[in-house]
Amino acid sequence: GQNIDQPTEMTATEGAIVQINCTYQTSGFNGLFWYQQHAGEAPTFLSYNVLDGLEEKGRFSSFLSRSKGYSYLLLKELQMKDSASYLCAPAADSWGKLQFGAGTQVVVTP
Amino acid sequence: GAVVSQHPSWVICKSGTSVKIECRSLDFQATTMFWYRQFPKQSLMLMATSNEGSKATYEQGVEKDKFLINHASLTLSTLTVTSAHPEDSSFYICSARDIRQGAVEQYFGPGTRLTVT
Repeated sequence: GQNIDQPTEMTATEGAIVQINCTYQTSGFNGLFWYQQHAGEAPTFLSYNVLDGLEEKGRFSSFLSRSKGYSYLLLKELQMKDSASYLCAPAADSWGKLQFGAGTQVVVTP
Repeated sequence: GAVVSQHPSWVICKSGTSVKIECRSLDFQATTMFWYRQFPKQSLMLMATSNEGSKATYEQGVEKDKFLINHASLTLSTLTVTSAHPEDSSFYICSARDIRQGAVEQYFGPGTRLTVT
């Protein structure tokens, strides 16, 4: 079966750093995606990791360890607009079928 | 970047009626489209995978006779909720991908909020 765990909520202040951890167990694996979703809107793509290691893209970085079934999303220099839900989504097959975690609600305070 | 549109953005219908939701890729050819459903404060649940020109593959627990999916062209997929009931009220989101380009990213539509009264 599929099992994806990430924290429900995290709170941080503007300018700080927050790390969102995700552990997963999937029957197949073809990379892991992170998406950002604001309330009432569709998800937007943040990052994709298929090999172990760190991928950096501006203020956002994502890390993957396939052997541990573990990934994290690092948000640096937090801004108020970063308040959103962050979804961890491993791809189960080569067609790109995604299994979404419940999402981590990040609240950025002034 | 690639754009995916959905129509309508919201719809209210009466119990027992059918509703069709369209998902279009505007500037790329979507060989594969996915349909998701999201209830309030919950994550996206994959309903079905749709490949152009073939029958959709439904996830376990999703009734294929109730949620009809048609992917007749490389830019359009439709989801029809037949005989809708209040428990079908949800946020329906499609995503599209062009596998032929080797791209891994899925582009999401803006979603359709369905309310069944």
